[in-house]
Amino acid sequence: LAKTTQPISMDSYEGQEVNITCSHNNIATNDYITWYQQFPSQGPRFIIQGYKTKVTNEVASLFIPADRKSSTLSLPRVSLSDTAVYYCLVGDWLSGGYNKLIFGAGTRLAVHP
Amino acid sequence: DAGVIQSPRHEVTEMGQEVTLRCKPISGHNSLFWYRQTMMRGLELLIYFNNNVPIDDSGMPEDRFSAKMPNASFSTLKIQPSEPRDSAVYFCASSLPGLAYAHNEQFFGPGTRLTVL
Repeated sequence: LAKTTQPISMDSYEGQEVNITCSHNNIATNDYITWYQQFPSQGPRFIIQGYKTKVTNEVASLFIPADRKSSTLSLPRVSLSDTAVYYCLVGDWLSGGYNKLIFGAGTRLAVHP
Repeated sequence: DAGVIQSPRHEVTEMGQEVTLRCKPISGHNSLFWYRQTMMRGLELLIYFNNNVPIDDSGMPEDRFSAKMPNASFSTLKIQPSEPRDSAVYFCASSLPGLAYAHNEQFFGPGTRLTVL
């Protein structure tokens, strides 16, 4: 099972771009990299997923280098409402089509006015 | 779409009492997950159902915990007897059938905050 390591916390200001880097040195060939966001008193919410290179959606971008041992979640022009915990996950693909997610401590992002 | 529905949203009970948490997954989702979140241990997967069948219950803490999924639209997580250390937020999540290796987005419910006195 690939383990992920990400900063415990980050601070930013409104309007700035935030980049959260996650390392996953033991990622397996078939593993995808997935990011979830969790606001206080809510369940986690899927943000983005990628396998290699760059993925972009309406919320964020995910950059994955060729060796796939790390990934960077990029949040453009953050606002106060982006204050949340961000989880980097690498699934453990088990037999029978079960992709088990192991949530770590995540990165607590605080956006200031 | 109403999303994943959990009830109750809050539950306060006394040690030794039976607690039943309920979940209605999103219609059409065939995978259902129960998670528990505490400050000390973070978000832990308790059990995973696929097509109403328990596939992975390795995260269930002990025999006091049991989960059922009698049909595609309903699941329960029961704790009997409850203990103060069971106090946590319990989340239910559901997802669509899996694609090869890629993670299928899990849709989480609002959670049930359980307090055992």
